[in-house]
Amino acid sequence: RKEVEQDPGPFNVPEGATVAFNCTYSNSASQSFFWYRQDCRKEPKLLMSVYSSGNEDGRFTAQLNRASQYISLLIRDSKLSDSATYLCVVKGSGNTPLVFGKGTRLSVIA
Amino acid sequence: NAGVMQNPRHLVRRRGQEARLRCSPMKGHSHVYWYRQLPEEGLKFMVYLQKENIIDESGMPKERFSAEFPKEGPSILRIQQVVRGDSAAYFCASSSTGGADTQYFGPGTRLTVL
Repeated sequence: RKEVEQDPGPFNVPEGATVAFNCTYSNSASQSFFWYRQDCRKEPKLLMSVYSSGNEDGRFTAQLNRASQYISLLIRDSKLSDSATYLCVVKGSGNTPLVFGKGTRLSVIA
Repeated sequence: NAGVMQNPRHLVRRRGQEARLRCSPMKGHSHVYWYRQLPEEGLKFMVYLQKENIIDESGMPKERFSAEFPKEGPSILRIQQVVRGDSAAYFCASSSTGGADTQYFGPGTRLTVL
């Protein structure tokens, strides 16, 4: 079983749609959780950290369910500029490295 | 405040040559991480360094790959006797401390082995 699993997509949605991505992780000792965004042939950029209480940043909402080892990202009112690959990332405690999922590709269509 | 810098951005090598990839962390950051992204794959951790120390190299291939982060100058990822399978994007990230501190990524070096 992969450490971090994501549906690779692609998700093709019209502008204005709401889209949700899911991610599961296998290491129950994981302590920190993130969503990164990666544009084609660019570096990953931190979109948001994910907390158990859930957190929202504008049109983006992230949720963490530790019991199910499940992370989600909801994007409301999709924009063309949201088209990218969304990477689910987990991390253990201390000086452990980031563990990346393979990403979910989103295409927002006019 | 300049971000993480990597050079070269693109590197072409023939099989058997050496590749040297450089990473300058963000100002004030002393922790550097190297990741590799193979085509159509996710990023995979390779090595974590602090100044003059390798902290975790659990993701480094056992042969041909080495990394350093000297007291002065950038971190260097060195690949000896490159093979076609080394063709990938190599990303460097830095953080101000280890632990849960946010890692900021550089633009990457795209290595192509002919």
